[in-house]
Amino acid sequence: EPEVTQTPSHQVTQMGQEVILRCVPISNHLYFYWYRQILGQKVEFLVSFYNNEISEKSEIFDDQFSVERPDGSNFTLKIRSTKLEDSAMYFCASSPPGLKNTGELFFGEGSRLTVL
Amino acid sequence: DAKTTQPNSMESNEEEPVHLPCNHSTISGTDYIHWYRQLPSQGPEYVIHGLTSNVNNRMASLAIAEDRKSSTLILHRATLRDAAVYYCILNPTGNQFYFGTGTSLTVIP
Repeated sequence: EPEVTQTPSHQVTQMGQEVILRCVPISNHLYFYWYRQILGQKVEFLVSFYNNEISEKSEIFDDQFSVERPDGSNFTLKIRSTKLEDSAMYFCASSPPGLKNTGELFFGEGSRLTVL
Repeated sequence: DAKTTQPNSMESNEEEPVHLPCNHSTISGTDYIHWYRQLPSQGPEYVIHGLTSNVNNRMASLAIAEDRKSSTLILHRATLRDAAVYYCILNPTGNQFYFGTGTSLTVIP
């Protein structure tokens, strides 16, 4: 069964460093997303991406964040200068067209980011 | 974001049915009702979704009230693997999903 894969599973970084989290969405999907979950808190939407551009983003997704689909298969989330409060589990998800009909976002297992 | 209300937690005995309620009194006519779950240390997982009619799939059933202001996710025979946080989500604008705090289901052996 196709799945969304994420790397790394866990990354530890120093405050102020740049981090790139990588995702390989399901191959025939067209919509891509990043969500995050701070330990013990809700799953929060960050950004959605379609047709090589951001379609929606939340207030969390400020200038420190960026997304890219560099090569047609990977989908990356970059945090330019990490802060302590960026420590969280980051989930990538993808969906085929017609989300209202399929109802299904496919989530990866997540990348845990720890900022020291 | 469209508002849903769920109990914080529920318990069920293994192999018994579980009914997880969700209230969404401000639902709009075009909102689909989605259910996801999150097992410990995993990403969210799709369970089921519907618009007006009751829905069944291999994982669960979704019963939607006639006025659509509430719905119930039904797990027909709870297993230990069903212990998770269950989220009831209304289809928001665009493709965002707003996850609330959900219902934490404990399955008792």
